[in-house]
Amino acid sequence: GENVEQHPSTLSVQEGDSAVIKCTYSDSASNYFPWYKQELGKRPQLIIDIRSNVGEKKDQRIAVTLNKTAKHFSLHITETQPEDSAVYFCAASSGYSTLTFGKGTMLLVSP
Amino acid sequence: DTGVSQDPRHKITKRGQNVTFRCDPISEHNRLYWYRQTLGQGPEFLTYFQNEAQLEKSRLLSDRFSAERPKGSFSTLEIQRTEQGDSAMYLCASSSDRLYGYTFGSGTRLTVV
Repeated sequence: GENVEQHPSTLSVQEGDSAVIKCTYSDSASNYFPWYKQELGKRPQLIIDIRSNVGEKKDQRIAVTLNKTAKHFSLHITETQPEDSAVYFCAASSGYSTLTFGKGTMLLVSP
Repeated sequence: DTGVSQDPRHKITKRGQNVTFRCDPISEHNRLYWYRQTLGQGPEFLTYFQNEAQLEKSRLLSDRFSAERPKGSFSTLEIQRTEQGDSAMYLCASSSDRLYGYTFGSGTRLTVV
């Protein structure tokens, strides 16, 4: 089955800096890669996703890049703000199959 | 319909007791998923329904766990003879045939004492 590795496990940045979280996956058939944000005590919420037919997708301050050859994808957050502090999870799936999640990255943005 | 609802939000039970959780998905979603999340970990897949059919079960789902989705609407997850290792957040998510991503519920936090 699919295996998703996520790094780093914790990331501390100053407000206004950029943050990058990286994930690798094992199943070459995977073609859908979402990112979820989970604030303390709340549900995971989808913030951005990418499918394998594109290499990059942007939505305001967040972007995701995908390298299918290397089987890795990354989340980029620019101009970080304290409200970006949360745990971020990457995931992967093949078509409409079940998602396999990484272990998460705790992002702390200091004012 | 404001999203995926889960009930109860919190459950404390004694070891050996049975517990049942309920999930109400977004009404137009035909796919329903159960995941388990422990502290510091990502959600781990337990089982998946398409309409009323249970199509996939993880090997994490021991024979003490059972899930149902009668009539393809709400779903229940029952854990029999609970163990301390069952303590976790149980998350339900729903989706549809036209969507890749999930919408998660707020989860049921189970504590086995």
